[in-house]
Amino acid sequence: AQKITQTQPGMFVQEKEAVTLDCTYDTSDPSYGLFWYKQPSSGEMIFLIYQGSYDQQNATEGRYSLNFQKARKSANLVISASQLGDSAMYFCAMREGPRDSSYKLIFGSGTRLLVRP
Amino acid sequence: NAGVTQTPKFQVLKTGQSMTLQCAQDMNHNSMYWYRQDPGMGLRLIYYSASEGTTDKGEVPNGYNVSRLNKREFSLRLESAAPSQTSVYFCASSGHPPGTDTQYFGPGTRLTVL
Repeated sequence: AQKITQTQPGMFVQEKEAVTLDCTYDTSDPSYGLFWYKQPSSGEMIFLIYQGSYDQQNATEGRYSLNFQKARKSANLVISASQLGDSAMYFCAMREGPRDSSYKLIFGSGTRLLVRP
Repeated sequence: NAGVTQTPKFQVLKTGQSMTLQCAQDMNHNSMYWYRQDPGMGLRLIYYSASEGTTDKGEVPNGYNVSRLNKREFSLRLESAAPSQTSVYFCASSGHPPGTDTQYFGPGTRLTVL
């Protein structure tokens, strides 16, 4: 079974609107971390946001927020007020296990977001 | 602060040739990683080094070797390149700062094996 599932291969959003990118995960470990990375066409991987499994609040970083629904095992990325520069591939990733003893990130297959002017 | 640097940026090899990809970080991170990204896919872990002096296999280690030269540097070696190793290779590092264990990535090396 896939550990990280991103079901939207591609999405469009109008500039200045909000968009949600879906991510579901599968783990039996009570301690885990969820990450979102952005990969623009230039190819680098840019860290956006992190959510720990024990975090009580949903993570937010500027225009990025993570809609964490633990019971549903989903960690959707919400981008508010989309900008043309948000056009990129977005990857969800999971670390299984406590952060001080687990080092592997498992990545989803990504969602390509295109922001329309 | 350069973050994570990788050399070379691009490389073309013939089947059977060997090469070493270099990675260095200046963030004093303990852990370093090598990933590969194939077209249309996410990243897959090849090898990692949790701390200086240790290395461990990831998801796809076959055909690769690594060396953690010191705390800053982590190299990836292809002893006998195969077309199936055509990919983009990313190095990353993480240091367990308070709060998260976020991995920070280098710019990548695009490798083509003919």
